[in-house]
Parts: sequence; C-alpha cells; structure tokens
Amino acid sequence: NAGVTQTPKFQVLKTGQSMTLQCAQDMNHEYMSWYRQDPGMGLRLIHYSVGAGITDQGEVPNGYNVSRSTTEDFPLRLLSAAPSQTSVYFCASRGGGTGGPNEQFFGPGTRLTVL
Amino acid sequence: AQTVTQSQPEMSVQEAETVTLSCTYDTSESDYYLFWYKQPPSRQMILVIRQEAYKQQNATENRFSVNFQKAAKSFSLKISDSQLGDAAMYFCAYRGLYGGATNKLIFGTGTLLAVQP
Repeated sequence: NAGVTQTPKFQVLKTGQSMTLQCAQDMNHEYMSWYRQDPGMGLRLIHYSVGAGITDQGEVPNGYNVSRSTTEDFPLRLLSAAPSQTSVYFCASRGGGTGGPNEQFFGPGTRLTVL
Repeated sequence: AQTVTQSQPEMSVQEAETVTLSCTYDTSESDYYLFWYKQPPSRQMILVIRQEAYKQQNATENRFSVNFQKAAKSFSLKISDSQLGDAAMYFCAYRGLYGGATNKLIFGTGTLLAVQP
C-alpha cells in the first residue's frame, strides 16, 4: 500500500494562476479531506468528501474547489491563486464509515507558494 | 463550535526525562474522540495516541500516555523516557461522533517539543 499520495511536493505560482493539487489513496477509504497548515494556526479543514460524488465545505473553503469522481482520487483546485493561499496542504483519508476513532492517514503534504 | 487550545507554543525536555504537553478543548457534546498527532521535520503527520471520551481509562501507547479529564475538558500527553526522535511539533485534535462533526478533525495550534541530549 502506498497509503495517501500527493503531488506535487512543492509548487510556486503567480497570483491569478490556477492549479490542481492531486491526492490519491489506495486503502479504499470512503472519507477524504483537505487541510491547510499555516504557522501558528494548526491545520484547518478546507473541503471533505464522504464518498464518490459527495463533497462538502470545511472551515476555510473560499478559493478552492473539489470533486470526487472515484473513491481513490480527491483533487483540490485553486481557481485563481492569491498570496493568502501560500501554505502547506495536506490530504487525508479515513476508513470505517463515520463511526469509530479510526485513524486519519495523511499524505506527505504540498508546500505551495503564491507570489 | 468546538475549539482546541494548546497553550504551550514550545517545550523542552532532557533526553530520558518526562514531559507533559497540555491540551484543553471546548464542546457541548458528551461523546467524541481526541487525538495527539506528531509532526517531525519531515512534515509527515503521525498519529501518536487516541482516546474515546466514553472510555474512562486513559489511553497508553508504549512511552506515550494521556491524562484525560472529561469534566475539565483537558487532554494532556505525557512522554516518558524522552528520546531525540521525539522532537517534533505535537498537535491535539478533536472529532465529534454525530452528524457533520464526525467529518471534521479540529486541531490545536501545536506545541513544538525540543529534546536536549
């Protein structure tokens, strides 16, 4: 099992550019999510999905778009990058349905810089 | 809304000594899950320990244990026999059991632990 994979590991964008952060998991997990990590603020939930075709907003969804066409993939799209989106982005997945203290597995993260 | 507070931005411990990291949370729910995650310089998020609120017994994983005080809404992490590899950022996190809360892992701001040789 590769677990949760993310690409790219690093990315530099100019203001206004768009891009997609890729996330994939091979554990057949229903639940996937995206977080951003900023200094002094911990991790904050951007968007999440409880299964293919089902997505919902988290705490900081503005400027981001997601879709879930397959169980394995959950890409995060930046529509028009802004310097405020400079951050480290983590994708995570969790199995076992909505119940139970099931472990959330995190990808290695993507460091994004918007100039 | 639920919140998680880690009031110690940085801590330091001598190798082989014991250190306790503090975490408090606020919720109106009676059942929930609490977690401690470790983030070393590699940036990878690693689950250290988890606690189910309906279990009175404190969770233990090898050198890591928690002191869960439900009434006080406190969830501290104790690291015994600290090792150099324990140096990392530690995050406390909360997840609800019901409805939309079960889909949201709420993190504290983290405590950066240094281990001195």
